Amino acid sequence: QQPVQSPQAVILREGEDAVINCSSSKALYSVHWYRQKHGEAPVFLMILLKGGEQKGHEKISASFNEKKQQSSLYLTASQLSYSGTYFCGTDRGRGNKLVFGAGTILRVKS
Amino acid sequence: GAVVSQHPSWVICKSGTSVKIECRSLDFQATTMFWYRQFPKQSLMLMATSNEGSKATYEQGVEKDKFLINHASLTLSTLTVTSAHPEDSSFYICSASPYRITYNEQFFGPGTRLTVL
Repeated sequence: QQPVQSPQAVILREGEDAVINCSSSKALYSVHWYRQKHGEAPVFLMILLKGGEQKGHEKISASFNEKKQQSSLYLTASQLSYSGTYFCGTDRGRGNKLVFGAGTILRVKS
Repeated sequence: GAVVSQHPSWVICKSGTSVKIECRSLDFQATTMFWYRQFPKQSLMLMATSNEGSKATYEQGVEKDKFLINHASLTLSTLTVTSAHPEDSSFYICSASPYRITYNEQFFGPGTRLTVL
């Protein structure tokens, strides 16, 4: 079942912050975040595992509420390079498959 | 490290022909590879999961006889779209994981844009 992402789109000015949310109706083992620019492959940002373990880039932070099956990606002091579509992928721990949300389009303006 | 390549990056073919797309992990051994399909402005839809040396596992609704997947080595998986039709036109992306159970990131290839005339 596809996770629900919100908002669908957001426009920021450089230096502003944004939060992208991802929620599932099913129990999750992990949540993965990727950013995709137009016509390119998705790029890994972060993984959050049940139990609190995280793995990702220094400038990206995220949270995973296991009880609510929700994850949030925090983008602070946004830069023009942050523009793209952000996807969350959820893993229920059954054979390592990811189900991706519909995506959140982020546009950072100068 | 962790680079995945795809070939070709784009292909245009006539209806009824078959097209093969290659996915290679360049600097690691990929025990598992995934094939996704992405329509414009839509999400990534998993088509199938392939493990080296075994048959691919297809997602519900994906025709295994139409989308042939072969994962013959730890660095190469191929997707063949047989008897392609215009509705098969899409962006096909592969990803690879060096771990049999993916608790770590998947590394995506650059994608192949297929246009069927």
